[in-house]
Amino acid sequence: DVKVTQSSRYLVKRTGEKVFLECVQDMDHENMFWYRQDPGLGLRLIYFSYDVKMKEKGDIPEGYSVSREKKERFSLILESASTNQTSMYLCASSSPLQGARFFGSGNTIYFGEGSWLTVV
Amino acid sequence: RKEVEQDPGPFNVPEGATVAFNCTYSNSASQSFFWYRQDCRKEPKLLMSVYSSGNEDGRFTAQLNRASQYISLLIRDSKLSDSATYLCVVNKLAGNQFYFGTGTSLTVIP
Repeated sequence: DVKVTQSSRYLVKRTGEKVFLECVQDMDHENMFWYRQDPGLGLRLIYFSYDVKMKEKGDIPEGYSVSREKKERFSLILESASTNQTSMYLCASSSPLQGARFFGSGNTIYFGEGSWLTVV
Repeated sequence: RKEVEQDPGPFNVPEGATVAFNCTYSNSASQSFFWYRQDCRKEPKLLMSVYSSGNEDGRFTAQLNRASQYISLLIRDSKLSDSATYLCVVNKLAGNQFYFGTGTSLTVIP
């Protein structure tokens, strides 16, 4: 079974604090993602990475940065937490679409259990 | 226009009922299609992939209509345990990204 592990499940931080959310996957997936999920807004992509030391902005990167020093680990950093960053954060991983793996579960995206962040 | 659109519901159905969800996607270059299930305060989990020919897994049937750019999920003989939010997910090769609907809420009532 694919395992995506988010080490911090529930955090309460003060406005202005620096916050690190760590994510590790054990399936040797090239792609890793960070999303946030808010009621009525669905999943929104913050950042993603196709390879070590590579990162791409998603739809809502402002206020966030990421780090991918090793293939299995993708970290999300809130440089200066604000109350509007209170949310559920989901890390995910997948293999890239390649040839015959276009269809079926070959490129399925797998999620960690989520990190619930409250900024006060 | 959103990449993926779903009716948010909520759908409230009695046990044993049949319920169907639809989802439309905007980009004809989309390659892979999935239904995910998300329980309250949990992460989304893969329910089933959606193949061009349609596919069935027990009480669940998924269909893909490329011409009209929609996918559907049919749940027969609904169980209380089917209560959850169902997310439509689309993947396309360019950019290797996944696009999510906002989810359809289902409550199965005893």
